[in-house]
Amino acid sequence: AQKITQTQPGMFVQEKEAVTLDCTYDTSDPSYGLFWYKQPSSGEMIFLIYQGSYDQQNATEGRYSLNFQKARKSANLVISASQLGDSAMYFCAMREGKQKLVFGQGTRLTINP
Amino acid sequence: EPEVTQTPSHQVTQMGQEVILRCVPISNHLYFYWYRQILGQKVEFLVSFYNNEISEKSEIFDDQFSVERPDGSNFTLKIRSTKLEDSAMYFCASSVTFKATPQYFGPGTRLLVL
Repeated sequence: AQKITQTQPGMFVQEKEAVTLDCTYDTSDPSYGLFWYKQPSSGEMIFLIYQGSYDQQNATEGRYSLNFQKARKSANLVISASQLGDSAMYFCAMREGKQKLVFGQGTRLTINP
Repeated sequence: EPEVTQTPSHQVTQMGQEVILRCVPISNHLYFYWYRQILGQKVEFLVSFYNNEISEKSEIFDDQFSVERPDGSNFTLKIRSTKLEDSAMYFCASSVTFKATPQYFGPGTRLLVL
């Protein structure tokens, strides 16, 4: 069974618009962490934002925010005021139990000028 | 800003050869990881390492793989007898703890097995 599901294989957004990338997860562990990473065409994995399962407030990091809906098991990434440099693959990941991260299939985001 | 570094950036090897991929984690981090990403696919966990021993490993991490922290700074992944299907990007990552902290990834080593 898929632990992390990203249903949008690709998204196209106009520059300066906000964009929401969807992520749903599946776990029975009450303690878990959710992460978003950006992978540009150069290949590196860049950490963007983290949300813990016990965190009361949604995480924010600059233009990135995480819309955490625990009952729905969703952890959507919101990028405000998108820029051309935001074009990349975006991966949602979950730390469950011990240390390993389980990744989704990713969403390829393209920002159009 | 401190970062995880990996060498080499690219490696081409013949099937059956041994390869060693090297990583220097962020200096105050205690947990180290290897992940791989086959071209066009999602990132997969291989192994985590803490206090000089493996703390968790995946089914992928079989007897042909090993990890080592030979000194105070380097963290290595050895593949003893490479197979064609080992061709992938290999990422090293590190974190301060394993709970509420992110894992920071290195730039990756792209391994091609011919």
